[in-house]
Amino acid sequence: KQEVTQIPAALSVPEGENLVLNCSFTDSAIYNLQWFRQDPGKGLTSLLLIQSSQREQTSGRLNVSLDKSSGRSTLYNAASQPGDSATYLCAVTRGDTQGGSEKLVFGKGMKLTVNP
Amino acid sequence: KAGVTQTPRYLIKTRGQQVTLSCSPISGHRSVSWYQQTPGQGLQFLFEYFSETQRNKGNFPGRFSGRQFSNSRSEMNVSTLELGDSALYLCASSLSPSGGATEQFFGPGTRLTVL
Repeated sequence: KQEVTQIPAALSVPEGENLVLNCSFTDSAIYNLQWFRQDPGKGLTSLLLIQSSQREQTSGRLNVSLDKSSGRSTLYNAASQPGDSATYLCAVTRGDTQGGSEKLVFGKGMKLTVNP
Repeated sequence: KAGVTQTPRYLIKTRGQQVTLSCSPISGHRSVSWYQQTPGQGLQFLFEYFSETQRNKGNFPGRFSGRQFSNSRSEMNVSTLELGDSALYLCASSLSPSGGATEQFFGPGTRLTVL
């Protein structure tokens, strides 16, 4: 059974600090990994999707790396801002998607607070 | 392009009642998935529909059911509500071409409170 872990559960940093958010998963047979942001009481906003064949993906100030064999992904956020405060979740889809299946297995998330 | 929409946004029900939630996917998206989010359990997969067929199902009791219409809109139903069903219910849509999973986009959710 796939399990996704995000440690720590919460993080508080000063504005301008570079952030590294970690995600680990137990079964390396994934198809892709997706990072989301969730603001309080709201839905999830997709940040980045990285395919299992990729090692790195970038979008704006965000960079995601994936090491499938060791079951790890890192979300790197350069020069954090107070507006980056939110809960960040990572999720994986299974590798055996012959015929398709979009089921995501989520970590519990990491609550980030960026202090001005 | 409009995002994923969910109605209603908020619901208050009492134990024993039933409820129907609705989700309209992004235009052109054929897969719709439903998730339950609670503070204790986090996000848990309920089920996924593709071309009006349930393609995958999570570990929830039979009180939770869903369906998808020919226009890809989806509904989920919870019968005989229990206090523990209080949660944020999220719907996600994706293109889902044949083979492989694709980027998923979530709606704002429906906040269900069971009294």
